Amino acid sequence: QKEVEQDPGPLSVPEGAIVSLNCTYSNSAFQYFMWYRQYSRKGPELLMYTYSSGNKEDGRFTAQVDKSSKYISLFIRDSQPSDSATYLCAMRGLDNYGQNFVFGPGTRLSVLP
Amino acid sequence: EAGVTQSPTHLIKTRGQQVTLRCSPISGHTSVYWYQQALGLGLQFLLWYDEGEERNRGNFPPRFSGRQFPNYSSELNVNALELEDSALYLCASSLGTGGRTDTQYFGPGTRLTVL
Repeated sequence: QKEVEQDPGPLSVPEGAIVSLNCTYSNSAFQYFMWYRQYSRKGPELLMYTYSSGNKEDGRFTAQVDKSSKYISLFIRDSQPSDSATYLCAMRGLDNYGQNFVFGPGTRLSVLP
Repeated sequence: EAGVTQSPTHLIKTRGQQVTLRCSPISGHTSVYWYQQALGLGLQFLLWYDEGEERNRGNFPPRFSGRQFPNYSSELNVNALELEDSALYLCASSLGTGGRTDTQYFGPGTRLTVL
């Protein structure tokens, strides 16, 4: 079993739809969770960062963490064509030393006008 | 505040040549990470430097190497280039404290093409 698994995609939705992107993980030592957005041929951009179970909202984006189920989600409301990108989940443990950041493989999202 | 910067943006080399990529972290960040992202694939961890020392290394051959300078900038060197080294090379930096606010911020990447 891979340490972090992510919905493989690609995912295509109409403009205005609610998008749900999901990752599961196996290592209970992971305590910090991130979502990155990567446009084609660009570096990943940090979207959301959370370190507790529950929801964190930022504009149209909501990050949800369920540590008991080892499951994280990113919801995008009122999706826009500009949201078309690859979304990467990432996580790490309590102590940076000896613990790399681990990234999911990414889910490619296309929002169609 | 300036973000992570990388140079050059694009590079074309031939098989067998050597290449050096450069990265400047965000001011105040002591950790630098290098990743390889081949076209259509996920991030593959290469190297992690903190406070001038190599902390961890991914599953790459020894011809991938690097270093971190006293000002926390970093170089990635790739010797004896092979065609499959063609990829986007991404650098990221973080505070390196392991604390709650410590997360990675990425640069724009260097696109390497090996012919």
